[in-house]
Amino acid sequence: SQQGEEDPQALSIQEGENATMNCSYKTSINNLQWYRQNSGRGLVHLILIRSNEREKHSGRLRVTLDTSKKSSSLLITASRAADTASYFCATPASGYSTLTFGKGTMLLVSP
Amino acid sequence: GAVVSQHPSRVICKSGTSVKIECRSLDFQATTMFWYRQFPKQSLMLMATSNEGSKATYEQGVEKDKFLINHASLTLSTLTVTSAHPEDSSFYICSASGGTTDTQYFGPGTRLTVL
Repeated sequence: SQQGEEDPQALSIQEGENATMNCSYKTSINNLQWYRQNSGRGLVHLILIRSNEREKHSGRLRVTLDTSKKSSSLLITASRAADTASYFCATPASGYSTLTFGKGTMLLVSP
Repeated sequence: GAVVSQHPSRVICKSGTSVKIECRSLDFQATTMFWYRQFPKQSLMLMATSNEGSKATYEQGVEKDKFLINHASLTLSTLTVTSAHPEDSSFYICSASGGTTDTQYFGPGTRLTVL
């Protein structure tokens, strides 16, 4: 079953703007991860936030986690055309090892 | 960082033939490997999880006799799509984890087209 659900499904912005994507999940988690996928390519791990963390930064990425609302957000600041990709949140299923992916947000950044 | 490769990157085959896809962890020992399938504009769906030296665990709805998985070493797992049909055409992605299981490292994917 789908654990993570991202919104919006698609987002189109101009270079320099910020992009915010949200992810909701249903069950308790130990951590939540965000991945990026360029068209027709594999996934790149962006950031992992643990259940006891509320916010995490990595370069132009900022991730928040609200376990009371079972939601997370990914903010990309000062977006670039190269940020154009699909972004997925993923949560570990029962146990630790398997990941369940959300449906993803397709981000298009226009020059 | 950890690198995972897949081979081939693209394969086109005739209906009824079998196709083998390799997944290798290049610079770490992968105790667990995962195989995903992704249809166009959709998310990744986990097909199976394999631990080195043991039988793979398949997700519900995935036919283990059709999608044969072998994880014979700590650096190699293979997925064989047997008697492939056009509906098996998809993007197959593997991932590997080793040591800490919090992070999976993904391969670049294999595009399978069955004619």
